[in-house]
Amino acid sequence: NAGVTQTPKFQVLKTGQSMTLQCAQDMNHEYMSWYRQDPGMGLRLIHYSVGAGITDQGEVPNGYNVSRSTTEDFPLRLLSAAPSQTSVYFCASSRDSNQPQHFGDGTRLSIL
Amino acid sequence: KNEVEQSPQNLTAQEGEFITINCSYSVGISALHWLQQHPGGGIVSLFMLSSGKKKHGRLIATINIQEKHSSLHITASHPRDSAVYICAAVSGNDMRFGAGTRLTVKP
Repeated sequence: NAGVTQTPKFQVLKTGQSMTLQCAQDMNHEYMSWYRQDPGMGLRLIHYSVGAGITDQGEVPNGYNVSRSTTEDFPLRLLSAAPSQTSVYFCASSRDSNQPQHFGDGTRLSIL
Repeated sequence: KNEVEQSPQNLTAQEGEFITINCSYSVGISALHWLQQHPGGGIVSLFMLSSGKKKHGRLIATINIQEKHSSLHITASHPRDSAVYICAAVSGNDMRFGAGTRLTVKP
């Protein structure tokens, strides 16, 4: 079972570059979410989606865009990368926010 | 002040000891999650609680909604329990996390 698949696992960008972090799940989960994890700060919710076509902002949405065109996929876009976005990014899915979350393996992103 | 506070930040125990990790939250919640993050970075969901108590093997999670407090207990701790334990408070579709408790269990 694939579960939640994140790509890439590692990425280095230059300031100002754009990129998309991919997240896919094969469990037919409606709720998907993106988090960033920084030392000493813990996990913080960036954006979430409660179903195809529906997205909303979390605690730290600035600098990130998301879309949910299918149930399976929930990509996270950095439009103009900044060093402050250097972090480890996790995607997760569940039936809804009150159900156990299934996490991807994470993407370690460095912005130079 | 963080909306979700965990204590202690770091915990070192000897194998076999009983472990308690605490989580307090200030927001109204619909559920509370306990997560385990392995040294390699992967995150696993341990429990989802909305009331009372849940048990899975040597792990027990409790929540007191009135006191806005949850605890994670590990009985007969083992070195393989060494990890970061994270609580997360769910309010609607939003989720706020504690900073985590780093547990090291020595043989």
